[in-house]
Amino acid sequence: ETGVTQSPTHLIKTRGQQVTLRCSSQSGHNTVSWYQQALGQGPQFIFQYYREEENGRGNFPPRFSGLQFPNYSSELNVNALELDDSALYLCASSFSEVYNEQFFGPGTRLTVL
Amino acid sequence: QKEVEQDPGPLSVPEGAIVSLNCTYSNSAFQYFMWYRQYSRKGPELLMYTYSSGNKEDGRFTAQVDKSSKYISLFIRDSQPSDSATYLCAMSQGGGGSYIPTFGRGTSLIVHP
Repeated sequence: ETGVTQSPTHLIKTRGQQVTLRCSSQSGHNTVSWYQQALGQGPQFIFQYYREEENGRGNFPPRFSGLQFPNYSSELNVNALELDDSALYLCASSFSEVYNEQFFGPGTRLTVL
Repeated sequence: QKEVEQDPGPLSVPEGAIVSLNCTYSNSAFQYFMWYRQYSRKGPELLMYTYSSGNKEDGRFTAQVDKSSKYISLFIRDSQPSDSATYLCAMSQGGGGSYIPTFGRGTSLIVHP
């Protein structure tokens, strides 16, 4: 059984650019959630995907968007990057959308200059 | 006031000490309570998961939930230098509410030899 994987590990972008982050869920999991974790803070919920549909969204603007694929892997896209988007982006998967235990990947560290 | 409050620390203890980590919360609808451990530059790892009030023990770790006081704790017995990490509490409503967890900001724990 493989755990949650994310790519890339690190990324440096400039303000105004666009970025795509990728996540492969743990085997058997059909739900993927994305979080933003700023330095010294807890993860903040961005959105969740269940069976390829968005199933909840946190307080993030529309320039944060996502996709889930039939194999339950997922992408997070961020347009018009701002300096404050610099953070660790975490992907977590779970057995279903009504399951509390989430298992996190190692994260992608995004730096916006 | 944030929904979940957690002292960021750092909390520094000698090896072998009993560690107490705590969170308070304001949303009485929370029913599911989780503790995650996060090493530097890594994703959070689920340590303990409890439902409603009471205690749960797993090896050197004990999680306590007091819903009447809106207070949860994680105790670590015989602490080791390898326990040095940030400990995040998280909680969710479940049932008719959201299963998306709300996280505290994390407490940094340092166990020195």
